[in-house]
Amino acid sequence: DAGVIQSPRHEVTEMGQEVTLRCKPISGHNSLFWYRQTMMRGLELLIYFNNNVPIDDSGMPEDRFSAKMPNASFSTLKIQPSEPRDSAVYFCASSLQTGRTEAFFGQGTRLTVV
Amino acid sequence: GENVEQHPSTLSVQEGDSAVIKCTYSDSASNYFPWYKQELGKRPQLIIDIRSNVGEKKDQRIAVTLNKTAKHFSLHITETQPEDSAVYFCAAPSSGGSYIPTFGRGTSLIVHP
Repeated sequence: DAGVIQSPRHEVTEMGQEVTLRCKPISGHNSLFWYRQTMMRGLELLIYFNNNVPIDDSGMPEDRFSAKMPNASFSTLKIQPSEPRDSAVYFCASSLQTGRTEAFFGQGTRLTVV
Repeated sequence: GENVEQHPSTLSVQEGDSAVIKCTYSDSASNYFPWYKQELGKRPQLIIDIRSNVGEKKDQRIAVTLNKTAKHFSLHITETQPEDSAVYFCAAPSSGGSYIPTFGRGTSLIVHP
């Protein structure tokens, strides 16, 4: 398996534009997480899916953020409209059994909103 | 939920010295405790983990100890090398059935040659 795959690796966009981040988890993993990493706040959990169902989205900052997992092999995180304070590295991670086994991280998407 | 506190936030050592990073957690039901290493510009990757049925686990120069009574676990790196320089994160699962991994704020380890 190629591991967790995220795209794009880098995204630069103007304030107000829509941004869509993509993630392909490891095949067979039933848990998927979206994290945001900044110097100020560290690794923050945004949303957690189990078997494609959103279980906990309490970390999603506001209504501008939304996430979907239409099937076991694909998830998206969308920001609309984007703001400069959304600039961060966004990681997707998957695990076989959440909280009990290793979480495998993707390479991350570095988002810059200007 | 789970509250995970990690100390210190930065740690500077000389090559060959030992480094210790400590995490405390709040949920006594937590039973899986991983440590991740994140090199500059890269993704976090698991380096060692421990389950609640053991008190210590070693893998070459790294070890993790767990004290369930005190609700803390520590990462120990012996004979540090410059390539150990990175940010290290601990994690503990939240309770309530979801077991979502909650990460500490990270420790930036700098090993001076």
